[in-house]
Amino acid sequence: QKEVEQDPGPLSVPEGAIVSLNCTYSNSAFQYFMWYRQYSRKGPELLMYTYSSGNKEDGRFTAQVDKSSKYISLFIRDSQPSDSATYLCAMSGNDYKLSFGAGTTVTVRA
Amino acid sequence: NAGVTQTPKFQVLKTGQSMTLQCAQDMNHNSMYWYRQDPGMGLRLIYYSASEGTTDKGEVPNGYNVSRLNKREFSLRLESAAPSQTSVYFCASTATGFEQYFGPGTRLTVT
Repeated sequence: QKEVEQDPGPLSVPEGAIVSLNCTYSNSAFQYFMWYRQYSRKGPELLMYTYSSGNKEDGRFTAQVDKSSKYISLFIRDSQPSDSATYLCAMSGNDYKLSFGAGTTVTVRA
Repeated sequence: NAGVTQTPKFQVLKTGQSMTLQCAQDMNHNSMYWYRQDPGMGLRLIYYSASEGTTDKGEVPNGYNVSRLNKREFSLRLESAAPSQTSVYFCASTATGFEQYFGPGTRLTVT
């Protein structure tokens, strides 16, 4: 079993819809939870990070962490065609070695 | 400010050939990483260097070696390439640990 599980999708939504992405994990030592966005044929870039449990909002993006359930989520409100990308969850403990999910490919249709 | 640069962008090797992937960062970051990305597998850590002068194995180190040449540069070497090493390779660097900055990647095909 992988340490981090993420549904690879693909996910296709109309413009303006809410996109919901999630990951589950098995390692209780994880404390830092991140979402990276990767456009086609590019390197990943950090979108959001959260330390421990809780919610974090940044514009149209909301990240949620539930450590008791070992479950993290990313919501994208009012999705735009420019949000079409692969979204990778990642997490780490204090050793700063990231464990990534497989990535979910999202397409927002105009 | 170029961020993280990688060379080459593309490479085709025959089985058994060797090559070195180069990575450089200009952000004065202490830590650098090499990942490979395969369909359905996400990013997997090959080797990392927490600081200049140190290197450690990641999840999939077999068949690879690394050199942290100085604070800026971290190279990945394939001594005897195998078809299973066909992948996209990413270098990353960080000052914080979790906020990693990635290069554009090297697409390697081993025939």
